Amino acid sequence: GQNIDQPTEMTATEGAIVQINCTYQTSGFNGLFWYQQHAGEAPTFLSYNVLDGLEEKGRFSSFLSRSKGYSYLLLKELQMKDSASYLCAVDSNSGYALNFGKGTSLLVTP
Amino acid sequence: ETGVTQSPTHLIKTRGQQVTLRCSSQSGHNTVSWYQQALGQGPQFIFQYYREEENGRGNFPPRFSGLQFPNYSSELNVNALELDDSALYLCASSLSVGTEETQYFGPGTRLLVL
Repeated sequence: GQNIDQPTEMTATEGAIVQINCTYQTSGFNGLFWYQQHAGEAPTFLSYNVLDGLEEKGRFSSFLSRSKGYSYLLLKELQMKDSASYLCAVDSNSGYALNFGKGTSLLVTP
Repeated sequence: ETGVTQSPTHLIKTRGQQVTLRCSSQSGHNTVSWYQQALGQGPQFIFQYYREEENGRGNFPPRFSGLQFPNYSSELNVNALELDDSALYLCASSLSVGTEETQYFGPGTRLLVL
């Protein structure tokens, strides 16, 4: 089976740093995606990690540890527009399907 | 803007009816995947089409069916609608098959079944 866990909700202050964790237990593993989804909108691609380590892309960074079945998304210098749901999705090597977690709803407050 | 469009944006149906949702892929993308996203949940994979053939299917009953056309646009058909089918339906196109290919999502169709 596929089990992907993320915290349901998080709150952080504008300008701060927040880390959103994702743990997974899947029958296969090719890589892990992070998507951002604003309310009522489509998910938009943030990052794809295949190898262990940290990948940095502007204010957003994503980390992967394959041996621990663990990833996190790090958001720096938070802005109000970062309030959204953040979805962790595992590419479990099925050849076609992404397995999504339930998403973490992040609220950025002034 | 991902270049992926879906229609209609919203739809209300009653139990037992049938519905067709449409998706136009990003230019040059030959693979389309459909997902169902219930409120407060992550997207659940329904199926994927590659070059007009079904390439893989998730845990959805046969009343969920699809088509992909030569121009790579796609349809999702749902027969005998049930209340639990109320959800946001997302299509995502990618350059080719293979889950390492980034999927670009359309804005979704929000379906309400009464």
